[in-house]
Amino acid sequence: GNSVTQMEGPVTLSEEAFLTINCTYTATGYPSLFWYVQYPGEGLQLLLKATKADDKGSNKGFEATYRKETTSFHLEKGSVQVSDSAVYFCALTNSGGSNYKLTFGKGTLLTVNP
Amino acid sequence: DSGVTQTPKHLITATGQRVTLRCSPRSGDLSVYWYQQSLDQGLQFLIQYYNGEERAKGNILERFSAQQFPDLHSELNLSSLELGDSALYFCASSPKAGVGANVLTFGAGSRLTVL
Repeated sequence: GNSVTQMEGPVTLSEEAFLTINCTYTATGYPSLFWYVQYPGEGLQLLLKATKADDKGSNKGFEATYRKETTSFHLEKGSVQVSDSAVYFCALTNSGGSNYKLTFGKGTLLTVNP
Repeated sequence: DSGVTQTPKHLITATGQRVTLRCSPRSGDLSVYWYQQSLDQGLQFLIQYYNGEERAKGNILERFSAQQFPDLHSELNLSSLELGDSALYFCASSPKAGVGANVLTFGAGSRLTVL
């Protein structure tokens, strides 16, 4: 079955530091890959996505590249801000038709200190 | 506001009781997904409905059931509640098949506490 493994947190960084959160996956076929973010007390929000190999998803300074050869989708940001403090989830779907259920990693808590 | 509305936001009840969680999807979305988020299990897919029909089932207990109504809102029924059912329950919706169909939009969640 499908599975997503992401680095365990928590991750604590100072403002303007470089961020990497590792994510690897196991899936059949050609999954679509996602990063979702959950701010304290809120639901999950789509951060970025990539639908095929070598695609790069980007949003709000965050980037992730779909690497089929290493089955990875690592999240990066060059300079984090305090407002980026949240839980980040890597996810995939390889369903089709009308079924796009997501399989999530366990989440990585990021805390950015001023 | 994501456009997905979940009620109630918080619910406290006792073991053995039954509760109903409600979800209204984004306007125009036909699919509704239910997820359970707990500290030990993470985010677990429970069930999906598409235009009123059950489309996929995940790790949903037999004590739990769901349905999607003709107006596309959905309800998740949890019965014979146990302490371990305490969790955040999220609803998500997505459009019909086509561009963007694989992007789920999540509600703010319903936090269930079983005492």
